[in-house]
Amino acid sequence: EPEVTQTPSHQVTQMGQEVILRCVPISNHLYFYWYRQILGQKVEFLVSFYNNEISEKSEIFDDQFSVERPDGSNFTLKIRSTKLEDSAMYFCASNTGKLFNEQFFGPGTRLTVL
Amino acid sequence: QKEVEQDPGPLSVPEGAIVSLNCTYSNSAFQYFMWYRQYSRKGPELLMYTYSSGNKEDGRFTAQVDKSSKYISLFIRDSQPSDSATYLCAMRITDSWGKLQFGAGTQVVVTP
Repeated sequence: EPEVTQTPSHQVTQMGQEVILRCVPISNHLYFYWYRQILGQKVEFLVSFYNNEISEKSEIFDDQFSVERPDGSNFTLKIRSTKLEDSAMYFCASNTGKLFNEQFFGPGTRLTVL
Repeated sequence: QKEVEQDPGPLSVPEGAIVSLNCTYSNSAFQYFMWYRQYSRKGPELLMYTYSSGNKEDGRFTAQVDKSSKYISLFIRDSQPSDSATYLCAMRITDSWGKLQFGAGTQVVVTP
């Protein structure tokens, strides 16, 4: 069964450093998303991406964040200068964009900013 | 007022009991409703997807939507210890793509 994969599973970084979180969406999916979940809190939408551009972003997704689809398979989230409050689980999701289709989530990357 | 409200629990039930979960929402533009299951430190996994008001059944799971009351429910019959997880309600406005708005999640513990 096809699945969304994410690497790394756990990333530890120092405050102020840049991190890139990687995702490989399901191959025939056209819409890609990043969500985050701070420990003990709800899953929050960050950004959606379609046709090589951002289609929607939340207030959380400020200038420190960027997304990219550098090739036909990877979808990345970059945080330019990490803050302590960026520590969270980051989930990538994708779907086909067809009627009534679901979003499939990856296993997540746990980001720890020290 | 939060857009999606969900009691975080924990909800502890004995094996074989019915688990009842619910969410309320304030935005009447939400049209599509989902229930996800999340195990500790894992990604959400879709359980049920509903559109219109009414019931939808899938095995031991039944999802209910009442748009007039802005209230959705998930019932798990004959609960098993393997059902122990956090259950997230989620909803969105568009039918094919777009951000999901999640509830806080309810932790369920099914004891043998």
